[in-house]
Amino acid sequence: EPEVTQTPSHQVTQMGQEVILRCVPISNHLYFYWYRQILGQKVEFLVSFYNNEISEKSEIFDDQFSVERPDGSNFTLKIRSTKLEDSAMYFCASIGGVPNYGYTFGSGTRLTVV
Amino acid sequence: GQQLNQSPQSMFIQEGEDVSMNCTSSSIFNTWLWYKQEPGEGPVLLIALYKAGELTSNGRLTAQFGITRKDSFLNISASIPSDVGIYFCAGRGSGGSNYKLTFGKGTLLTVNP
Repeated sequence: EPEVTQTPSHQVTQMGQEVILRCVPISNHLYFYWYRQILGQKVEFLVSFYNNEISEKSEIFDDQFSVERPDGSNFTLKIRSTKLEDSAMYFCASIGGVPNYGYTFGSGTRLTVV
Repeated sequence: GQQLNQSPQSMFIQEGEDVSMNCTSSSIFNTWLWYKQEPGEGPVLLIALYKAGELTSNGRLTAQFGITRKDSFLNISASIPSDVGIYFCAGRGSGGSNYKLTFGKGTLLTVNP
């Protein structure tokens, strides 16, 4: 079964450093997402990306965050200057075109900011 | 923003018992999804519900999309130890909302063998 692949699985970074989280969505999918889950809490929407541009972002997704689809396969989330409160699991997800409603999530990247 | 109220927060049951959990919302959703998450993993889709009133089963799991489109429940029958995990409901809006998901806070299920 097709998978969404995320790397790295775990990243530790110092506060103020830039990090790039990488995702390879399912190849024929059209909508791409990043979600965040702080330890012990619910999964929260960060940003959606369609047709090579951001289609919606949450209030969490401030100027420190950016996303990019640099080629036909990768989808990245960059945090420019990490803060302690950015520590969380970050999940990439993709869906195909309608009527494929079933999101496929990656296994996540655990980001630890120290 | 949209909020989902999921209950209960946690359940501790004996193997073989049935389990029920539910989600309610003040907003209408076009799709309800139920996910299971195990430690260190991403959410895995269990059941997707597309129409109000729809009742769908997946093995021992049964879920329903409420008639008002503001609620859904998930039942697990004859629980087994591998059912342990966190179960999340998620509601999805229309294409105009870019199909983003709004998640409930999860139900932590523990099954005692």
